[in-house]
Amino acid sequence: GAVVSQHPSWVICKSGTSVKIECRSLDFQATTMFWYRQFPKQSLMLMATSNEGSKATYEQGVEKDKFLINHASLTLSTLTVTSAHPEDSSFYICSARAGQANTGELFFGEGSRLTVL
Amino acid sequence: DQQVKQNSPSLSVQEGRISILNCDYTNSMFDYFLWYKKYPAEGPTFLISISSIKDKNEDGRFTVFLNKSAKHLSLHIVPSQPGDSAVYFCAASAFYNFNKFYFGSGTKLNVKP
Repeated sequence: GAVVSQHPSWVICKSGTSVKIECRSLDFQATTMFWYRQFPKQSLMLMATSNEGSKATYEQGVEKDKFLINHASLTLSTLTVTSAHPEDSSFYICSARAGQANTGELFFGEGSRLTVL
Repeated sequence: DQQVKQNSPSLSVQEGRISILNCDYTNSMFDYFLWYKKYPAEGPTFLISISSIKDKNEDGRFTVFLNKSAKHLSLHIVPSQPGDSAVYFCAASAFYNFNKFYFGSGTKLNVKP
């Protein structure tokens, strides 16, 4: 099946620094990628929809200036957590849809665990 | 307001028996449903889907049932195997925004040998 890879899988940073997480579709082109955040024992929460070549669409309550999303190519989307604080510590997961039709199948990355000290 | 709910945070089943995971939703506009499986420290992987025109979809040991009037879906795994032990998420999307999926909080399944 299609593969989506995230990097890094684990990152620890100091409060106030910025962290970039990459999401790559390895064997297919993805015009749309999605970024989720998961708190312990809670569901995946959609943060934003990343569109290749245009601005990301953010969900209500997600700070655009805090979580910068760039979808520079059909195989790469990046999420930058700017001026990270301990409350940003979470598990961040990206996904991408292979193909254009609404098959419903999303392929997920392995996730990136961010810990802000 | 959580539109997709999995009210059982965990489920324990004996190997070889049936596992039944439940999911409820509130939005009557949802017309496409998915089940994902997630191992610790890994991303979710797709298991099975069902659209609202059906009430059952089967794939090997996995069967998803949809009851639209009750806004309820369930995933049946039979026979259950120890390798099925994972967290299972249900997700739903609506026809007017099929890219946006709403996830339940997950049910942790433990299949005992």
